[in-house]
Amino acid sequence: EVQLVESGGGLVQSGGSLRLSCVVSGFTFSSYSMNWVRQAPGKGLEWVSYISSSSNIIYYADSVKGRFTISRDNAKNSLYLQMNSLRAEDTAVYYCARIDLGWGQGTLVTVSS
Amino acid sequence: QAVVTQEPSLTVSPGGTVTLTCGSSTGAVTSGHYPYWFQQKPGQAPRTLIYDTTNKHSWTPARFSGSLLGGKAALTLSGAQPEDESDYYCLLSYSGAVVFGGGTKLTVL
Repeated sequence: EVQLVESGGGLVQSGGSLRLSCVVSGFTFSSYSMNWVRQAPGKGLEWVSYISSSSNIIYYADSVKGRFTISRDNAKNSLYLQMNSLRAEDTAVYYCARIDLGWGQGTLVTVSS
Repeated sequence: QAVVTQEPSLTVSPGGTVTLTCGSSTGAVTSGHYPYWFQQKPGQAPRTLIYDTTNKHSWTPARFSGSLLGGKAALTLSGAQPEDESDYYCLLSYSGAVVFGGGTKLTVL
């Protein structure tokens, strides 16, 4: 069974930092690219970042470029998102996803101004 | 960055057929955009229904199908069921980015 479990969300002040983690099981994590996707309250899905299986290709949405850093540890079957200089508009549920297969349950990030 | 467009809302009768579309501001959608379709019900994480234009998962009901239609990606639901009432999102891949559509709220009524 494919499982993706995010953690690390919470309440943070504007300008602060958070690190999200996602532990994956049920498929060979090291063979697949991964993504972070977010959803602001009552809004649609917004792609945040992509990382290739070997971390050699990384992309970011313009809205987070320069502030967020995606990374992975294939030995730990884990995906990460380091979020710095957080803004109120970053408030959202953040999903870890292998978008062709499965999604985590999400972790809520709330940025207070 | 490209903009991906979907119908904001659609209504289908139980047992009826409806087609949701996914267009790109850059031109015709092709298989090279690797279109995806996701279903999301209130309070739940999204679920991948269709990947790479037409491919289904074991959990994708047979009544859903993906295609390219008139320069857009399309999700067709044939024989709508009450449980199909949901939000549906498409996703297209571009060089260096991935973009979601704004979503379609499908009502079965």
